[in-house]
Amino acid sequence: DAKTTQPTSMDCAEGRAANLPCNHSTISGNEYVYWYRQIHSQGPQYIIHGLKNNETNEMASLIITEDRKSSTLILPHATLRDTAVYYCIVRFILTGGGNKLTFGTGTQLKVEL
Amino acid sequence: KAGVTQTPRYLIKTRGQQVTLSCSPISGHRSVSWYQQTPGQGLQFLFEYFSETQRNKGNFPGRFSGRQFSNSRSEMNVSTLELGDSALYLCASSLGGLAGSYEQYFGPGTRLTVT
Repeated sequence: DAKTTQPTSMDCAEGRAANLPCNHSTISGNEYVYWYRQIHSQGPQYIIHGLKNNETNEMASLIITEDRKSSTLILPHATLRDTAVYYCIVRFILTGGGNKLTFGTGTQLKVEL
Repeated sequence: KAGVTQTPRYLIKTRGQQVTLSCSPISGHRSVSWYQQTPGQGLQFLFEYFSETQRNKGNFPGRFSGRQFSNSRSEMNVSTLELGDSALYLCASSLGGLAGSYEQYFGPGTRLTVT
């Protein structure tokens, strides 16, 4: 799986958009970008994933650059409950299955009043 | 739909003992993965089971083992516990199809303390 680089920490004001960047310059054509978050002492929570097109769901939007070397997770209106560690993961999907997530150190997002 | 459940939630064991942790996946999910989380090493993949077969394995010693039952429930066993095995053990389930992308859903974890 390709390596990812994320800032160690970010702050965001409540109600504003939180934009979390991720660099994955060595990504290959058949690797997906996944985002998870982990609120203190809980299990990680799936947020969104994409291959090359931008994606949006009820939680967030994922913007992947055209060359796929980086992506941004956008929380449109951050709340205090969005304070968590956010993990960007690049995963190769093997034909025949296989489920292994390689977590990095992630970005600690702190949402403040 | 009920989420992933793990039992027990907290456990205290002594060095040299063994422990078994249990995970019940989301109904309909056939893949169960296990992860270990420690402050020093972060989240690390242990292994994955699909249809009662181990499909992937991380870089952990043989003291860590697992199995999956026909109803997709999974157990993880750690023998000859060491102090360094103190961690949060997380289980994740997914549909686990043969191809394509699919998200994993994590349980709340079992907090194991080895004294």
